[in-house]
Amino acid sequence: EPEVTQTPSHQVTQMGQEVILRCVPISNHLYFYWYRQILGQKVEFLVSFYNNEISEKSEIFDDQFSVERPDGSNFTLKIRSTKLEDSAMYFCAIHRDRGPRAQYFGPGTRLLVL
Amino acid sequence: GIQVEQSPPDLILQEGANSTLRCNFSDSVNNLQWFHQNPWGQLINLFYIPSGTKQNGRLSATTVATERYSLLYISSSQTTDSGVYFCAVFYNQGGKLIFGQGTELSVKP
Repeated sequence: EPEVTQTPSHQVTQMGQEVILRCVPISNHLYFYWYRQILGQKVEFLVSFYNNEISEKSEIFDDQFSVERPDGSNFTLKIRSTKLEDSAMYFCAIHRDRGPRAQYFGPGTRLLVL
Repeated sequence: GIQVEQSPPDLILQEGANSTLRCNFSDSVNNLQWFHQNPWGQLINLFYIPSGTKQNGRLSATTVATERYSLLYISSSQTTDSGVYFCAVFYNQGGKLIFGQGTELSVKP
């Protein structure tokens, strides 16, 4: 560890603005996940991404959200038009292609929507 | 869907004390992980333990998959152990981790 880094560490944005959160794995991984944690609450699953496709998404992951892997390494989460309730910590996670399927979490991006 | 419940929700200890945190889950799981969320919000992997017992220094964990619970033991607690401890499970329907609500541990000097 760390297996994955995230940028930016903090972001403040105005309601209605677009934000892009980035996840950079240390080595090549096929399995990616995004989770979010609203302050004081538990961690919630947003979306999983396998072999360059969404494999599963939660009810939270509506049309405002999208994910992609634009350059084959970085993994991005885009929120098109942020709302106040999108304020949260966003975590990227990966697991190794072989061996135990433990998920390793990045340090997170703290998003504040004003 | 699967339910993950942790107890106690809060725990206050004096430095040097031992503690046991519990995680119950409502269905069979393929994976269980324990995390420590530090004051900076980072989720630190403690254990990947779908079954059996593991130890790492002052921490150990036991998962009894057939009875659907896991325990995290912290011995000789230190102030740096403070934070929130989450268990999370991964089960057959997809790769996502389902988190419990966490146990907030405060270790006083």
